[in-house]
Amino acid sequence: EVRVVESGGGLIQPGGSLRLSCEASGLIFRSLWVHWVRQAPGKGLMWVSRTNSDGSDTTFTDSVKGRFTTSRDNTKNTVYLQLNDLKAEDTAVYYCTIGWKYYFEYWGQGALVTVSS
Amino acid sequence: SSQLTQDPAVSVALGQTVRITCQGDSLRNYYACWYQQKPGQAPVLVIYGENNRPSGIPDRFSGSRSGNTASLTITGAQAEDDADYYCNSRDTSGDYLVFGGGTKLTVL
Repeated sequence: EVRVVESGGGLIQPGGSLRLSCEASGLIFRSLWVHWVRQAPGKGLMWVSRTNSDGSDTTFTDSVKGRFTTSRDNTKNTVYLQLNDLKAEDTAVYYCTIGWKYYFEYWGQGALVTVSS
Repeated sequence: SSQLTQDPAVSVALGQTVRITCQGDSLRNYYACWYQQKPGQAPVLVIYGENNRPSGIPDRFSGSRSGNTASLTITGAQAEDDADYYCNSRDTSGDYLVFGGGTKLTVL
């Protein structure tokens, strides 16, 4: 059974930083791409980033470029999303989703990030 | 704003067929994927590529593409299909991914 679990969400002040973790099991993690997708309260889905199998190739959507970074540790089947200089508009549920370069199949339940003073 | 456009809401009578569409210039070159999301739950992939279903997705779900429009068809809609549906594909640059705004499907 495939399992994807995000952690690290919480309440953070504007300008602050947070690190989300995504741990997967039940699949060949080291061969797959990992994407982050977020969903603001009551809104639609928005693609945020993707990282290739060894972490050497990462792409971010324009609105988070320069503020968010990713890294991965294939020995722990884990990818990290570092969120810096957070803004109110970054408030969302952040989903980790795993698959291939241009689509993804396995989703976690999401981690809520709330940016507020 | 999204480069993929979906109707905000669609309804279908139980057991009937419904088509949910997604329009965008990039769809002339790339296939769309479709995700189903129910309240409080993570999205679920239902269609990818030309017309492929992941394991466990009923065969009443199918996908197609014509010109700049991708479609998700549910043949014989069931009560459990009542959900939000999102299309997803590459943008016009070919490198980034974008989602449509989502379609709320109501099964009457």
